[in-house]
Amino acid sequence: AQSVTQLGSHVSVSEGALVLLRCNYSSSVPPYLFWYVQYPNQGLQLLLKYTTGATLVKGINGFEAEFKKSETSFHLTKPSAHMSDAAEYFCAAAPFYNQGGKLIFGQGTELSVKP
Amino acid sequence: EAGVAQSPRYKIIEKRQSVAFWCNPISGHATLYWYQQILGQGPKLLIQFQNNGVVDDSQLPKDRFSAERLKGVDSTLKIQPAKLEDSAVYLCASSLVPPGYGNEQFFGPGTRLTVL
Repeated sequence: AQSVTQLGSHVSVSEGALVLLRCNYSSSVPPYLFWYVQYPNQGLQLLLKYTTGATLVKGINGFEAEFKKSETSFHLTKPSAHMSDAAEYFCAAAPFYNQGGKLIFGQGTELSVKP
Repeated sequence: EAGVAQSPRYKIIEKRQSVAFWCNPISGHATLYWYQQILGQGPKLLIQFQNNGVVDDSQLPKDRFSAERLKGVDSTLKIQPAKLEDSAVYLCASSLVPPGYGNEQFFGPGTRLTVL
């Protein structure tokens, strides 16, 4: 069965520092991959997604992620953290071209940004 | 365009009571999802509709949870009777097509349920 693992339930960085949130998936066929952000008391908002093509994907708010098939990873990065980036981040995967497939979420990583 | 609407935003009930949540998806979105998000965990799919038909309800506790999507638009999720472990945020989402085509799911703000 497909699964998504996020390493680290909590990550803390200083403002201006690099943000790195890790995500690994388990699937025999590379799935579609997503990163969502959730601010307190709000629903999830899509940051970026990988479907096919370029393995480096750019998203909103300066975030990007790189799909590495050999490592089954889809880590999220941002060169310089901002206070407004503090939120919960979820990595998710959906099976490739499977109409009956469902989106599987990781357990989430809470990002804290220190001034 | 208007987003996914959910109501109520918050609900507090006692165990063994009943509760219902309502969701209005983005206009034209054929696929509708209900997720349960327990504190500290990622969302877990409870049920997925394609138009007004159920595609996946494998993780829906059918002895107490029910959901319907009449006319392929609005949806309601009901819990009867509620248990303490049902305390969670219930998220509704919608998308143009099912997840296997790489499309984005749009999420509502959620309903925070507390069962005492």
